[in-house]
Amino acid sequence: EAGVAQSPRYKIIEKRQSVAFWCNPISGHATLYWYQQILGQGPKLLIQFQNNGVVDDSQLPKDRFSAERLKGVDSTLKIQPAKLEDSAVYLCASSLEGWASDEQYFGPGTRLTVT
Amino acid sequence: TQLLEQSPQFLSIQEGENLTVYCNSSSVFSSLQWYRQEPGEGPVLLVTVVTGGEVKKLKRLTFQFGDARKDSSLHITAAQPGDTGLYLCAGAWSGGSNYKLTFGKGTLLTVNP
Repeated sequence: EAGVAQSPRYKIIEKRQSVAFWCNPISGHATLYWYQQILGQGPKLLIQFQNNGVVDDSQLPKDRFSAERLKGVDSTLKIQPAKLEDSAVYLCASSLEGWASDEQYFGPGTRLTVT
Repeated sequence: TQLLEQSPQFLSIQEGENLTVYCNSSSVFSSLQWYRQEPGEGPVLLVTVVTGGEVKKLKRLTFQFGDARKDSSLHITAAQPGDTGLYLCAGAWSGGSNYKLTFGKGTLLTVNP
């Protein structure tokens, strides 16, 4: 079974530039998550999709971050414009149904550096 | 705001030693998970606990869920270098959302050969 795929693995941009990350979840998983993990901290949920609808985006900085899940499968997360404090690893995860007790399968993450 | 605290934040031990890491909250969990994250990778689920007082074993790892479901511990016996990683607990609070999982900051474990 293929795991969660993410690209790119690394990205370096200057502040005020824009960037986009892509995620392909495990086939058949209804729920897709985007997390931000700052160095030394645990993952922080940015947005959770159930199929192609948003379940929770309460911690997504909506003035600069946006996300979509096309046709309930792949997803993209965009930052525009980027700030220095956005430097972090962006993790995508998927789960079968989306209950908090479900196992979440994580991709390898995209390491973003904003200079 | 419900907080999930992990301790210690850092732990460096020699191969063969035992260790315990903790996860605590002032609120009751409906379920709690432990994940391990290696450098450059995403977290991988180790265990899910849902019943107060529950104990689960995974080879040399023993997980306990407190009777009141407010705390959990992870004990590793005879640690090996391959156990090195960031250990994260993640919980959903009773009476809260059934779908929202909150992660702690993690315990960074280094096992030296």
